[in-house]
Amino acid sequence: EPEVTQTPSHQVTQMGQEVILRCVPISNHLYFYWYRQILGQKVEFLVSFYNNEISEKSEIFDDQFSVERPDGSNFTLKIRSTKLEDSAMYFCASSQLAGSYNEQFFGPGTRLTVL
Amino acid sequence: QQQVKQSPQSLIVQKGGISIINCAYENTAFDYFPWYQQFPGKGPALLIAIRPDVSEKKEGRFTISFNKSAKQFSLHIMDSQPGDSATYFCAASKTGANNLFFGTGTRLTVIP
Repeated sequence: EPEVTQTPSHQVTQMGQEVILRCVPISNHLYFYWYRQILGQKVEFLVSFYNNEISEKSEIFDDQFSVERPDGSNFTLKIRSTKLEDSAMYFCASSQLAGSYNEQFFGPGTRLTVL
Repeated sequence: QQQVKQSPQSLIVQKGGISIINCAYENTAFDYFPWYQQFPGKGPALLIAIRPDVSEKKEGRFTISFNKSAKQFSLHIMDSQPGDSATYFCAASKTGANNLFFGTGTRLTVIP
């Protein structure tokens, strides 16, 4: 069964450093998403991406964040200068069609720890 | 702003019992309410979803009950099994949106 994969599973970084989280969405999916979950809190939407541009973003997704689809398979989230409060589990998701009615398939997540 | 509130935070149920997880939402524009199931080391996976034109949806042992006037919906797991032990998230969204608003999750443990 096709699945979304994410690497690395755990990333530890120093405050102020740049990190890139990587995702490989399901191959025939066209819509891509990033969510995050701070420990003990709810899963929060960050951004959705389609046709090489951001289609929707939350207030969390500020100038420190960027997304990219550098090739035909990868989808990345970059945090330019990490803060302590960026420590969270980051989930990538993909869907075949747009809109939340269409099932979003989630990856296993990358746990980001900022020291 | 907490758009979707979920309770309880954790739940322990005996095998064969009924597990009930509750969610409440604030935004009356929400018109899609999925439940996600997450096992350790895996991402959330869609379990069952409902739209507000029906008050109940059943798939096997899993049932969503929906109360539009109270802005509440709940997941019932009948004949709970140890394999159901996981974290369950309710979520909500609205037409045209790409983002899901999640609850804080419920860790369910089913004791053999």
